[in-house]
Formats: sequence, C-alpha cells, structure tokens
Amino acid sequence: GAVVSQHPSWVICKSGTSVKIECRSLDFQATTMFWYRQFPKQSLMLMATSNEGSKATYEQGVEKDKFLINHASLTLSTLTVTSAHPEDSSFYICSARGGGGITEAFFGQGTRLTVV
Amino acid sequence: EDKVVQSPLSLVVHEGDTVTLNCSYEVTNFRSLLWYKQEKKAPTFLFMLTSSGIEKKSGRLSSILDKKELFSILNITATQTGDSAVYLCAVPTGTASKLTFGTGTRLQVTL
Repeated sequence: GAVVSQHPSWVICKSGTSVKIECRSLDFQATTMFWYRQFPKQSLMLMATSNEGSKATYEQGVEKDKFLINHASLTLSTLTVTSAHPEDSSFYICSARGGGGITEAFFGQGTRLTVV
Repeated sequence: EDKVVQSPLSLVVHEGDTVTLNCSYEVTNFRSLLWYKQEKKAPTFLFMLTSSGIEKKSGRLSSILDKKELFSILNITATQTGDSAVYLCAVPTGTASKLTFGTGTRLQVTL
C-alpha cells in the first residue's frame, strides 16, 4: 500500500505554545487529506478534511482558529495546534487519499501530543 | 445522519478460536466499506469491500459485505495473540469521501 509519513511521532509541549504536525504522502499524490483525533479507548473522530490548494472543511465543534490546517501541496498537509492546553492532549492521525474513483485512505503513524 | 455501528465492543478469546466481528451501517450513497486493524499506533488497512457476497481473504482473515442487509463481517480463524487489537470498520461518506468510523471492536486473544 501507499506510504503516509507523519511527523513527529510524539511531542510534549508547554501550555500556551503551538505545535505543528506534518503529514506527507511519500509515493502518491494526495488530493485529499484528513485529520483525526483519538482519545484513549475511543474511535477516530474526524476533525477536518483538506484538499490541496483550498481551505480545510472542519467538522462541527472543531475550532478552525485553534487547529490550523494547511494543504499547500499534493504531498504535504500540516496541522498546527495553536495555544495548546492540556485538554488538547490526544493522539492525532492524518490520512491521505489519492484522487478519483473508490480508493482507500492510508494513515500516517500518528502523533501523540501531550501538553503540560 | 450517517452511522456505522460495530459489535461487540470488546471480546476476549483463547488462542485458536475463531471470531466474527460485525459492522452495520446506514449511509447515503454507499460506495465501499473498509476494515482496519489498530494496535498501538495508527490503523493499518485490511480490506476494502464494494460488492455484496464476494469474500475477501488474507491469510486467516476474511471479510464479506451484504449491501441488502447493510452489514459486513470480519472473520479471524485460528486466532493468535498477535491478532489482539482494535478492529475498526469505516465507510466513506459525503462528497469528500471522509471516513466515518465505527466505535471499533477491541479483541484480546489470550494463551
């Protein structure tokens, strides 16, 4: 299957600082990338959908000013958690999908964010 | 509202047992259903099903879709401790084909 690389794998940051997470599709062009959040023992919750070159579409209840998503190229999307607080601590996962037809989405390795 | 429901929520079996995991869905414009296995990190892809009645198989894992009754099952035969994981079912929904996930089934295989 296709490879999606997410960086960093884990990060600890101080409350009030911002954290950027990168998601790269290594061997295909990802027209659409998805950002998920997962709390312990819960399923993945979609935060936003981003298409290359356009603004991200956020799910209801997700603050777009807090979770900034940029999808500047067909192989890179970034999620920036601004002014992070302890309640933002979670596992963030990106997935990427190529264009056209019915295709599965491939996941990055995930980023465990801990805000102290 | 699109919905994906998995059952059971959690399951403990002995090594060598066969398990069946269930996923039912209610979505508009159904296109496909996907199964993923999640261990400690991000989900890994198992199967994508688009047609009713055609079994997909990979080693001891197999899956089938019933588009009339709106469900899919994932079978694991001769389970091993390495099969212990959360198994997620997902259906692409909406114009962007974002994945709507079920709650997952947590499988634990004991010796």
